[in-house]
Amino acid sequence: QKEVEQNSGPLSVPEGAIASLNCTYSDRGSQSFFWYRQYSGKSPELIMSIYSNGDKEDGRFTAQLNKASQYVSLLIRDSQPSDSATYLCAVRGVTGNQFYFGTGTSLTVIP
Amino acid sequence: GAVVSQHPSWVICKSGTSVKIECRSLDFQATTMFWYRQFPKQSLMLMATSNEGSKATYEQGVEKDKFLINHASLTLSTLTVTSAHPEDSSFYICSARDQGTGSPLHFGNGTRLTVT
Repeated sequence: QKEVEQNSGPLSVPEGAIASLNCTYSDRGSQSFFWYRQYSGKSPELIMSIYSNGDKEDGRFTAQLNKASQYVSLLIRDSQPSDSATYLCAVRGVTGNQFYFGTGTSLTVIP
Repeated sequence: GAVVSQHPSWVICKSGTSVKIECRSLDFQATTMFWYRQFPKQSLMLMATSNEGSKATYEQGVEKDKFLINHASLTLSTLTVTSAHPEDSSFYICSARDQGTGSPLHFGNGTRLTVT
């Protein structure tokens, strides 16, 4: 079983809609969770960190964490064509020095 | 915020030559840095974990004699691709985190290596 799993997509949403990206992880002891955005040909950039159960909002982005279900999600409201990218879910391992990445979900926002 | 600088951003070299890629943490100290490789339309693949003052830890299947890693200071790690071949052409990305609990990884801008 992979440490972090994401649906690879591709996921397509119309401009202005809500894009929902999901991620599950296997290590119940994990405490730190991250979402990265990667444009084609570029390196990943951090867009959200979440550490506690519940929702965390930052502009059009909302990260949701449910440790009991070992589930992390990212919602993008009012999706824009510029949001078209691959979104990577990352989980920091219990020991603190390991980061596990999902394979990424490709999102396309259609104008 | 934490900034990781990677140089060069792209390099073209001839088969058989060696290429060095530098990764610097600009505003924090990093005892550990990570080197990734990514082929087109594929996911990140961790190559090795670079530890300041000690040997790097390589992932299974990564040749340590081909991909030399040196982490000489708390702000600099280098990856040298030795005797490069066309199949080594890829996007190499380094990352690091500062020491705060729960700190995320911050990525350099990556190096696109093309071996002709």
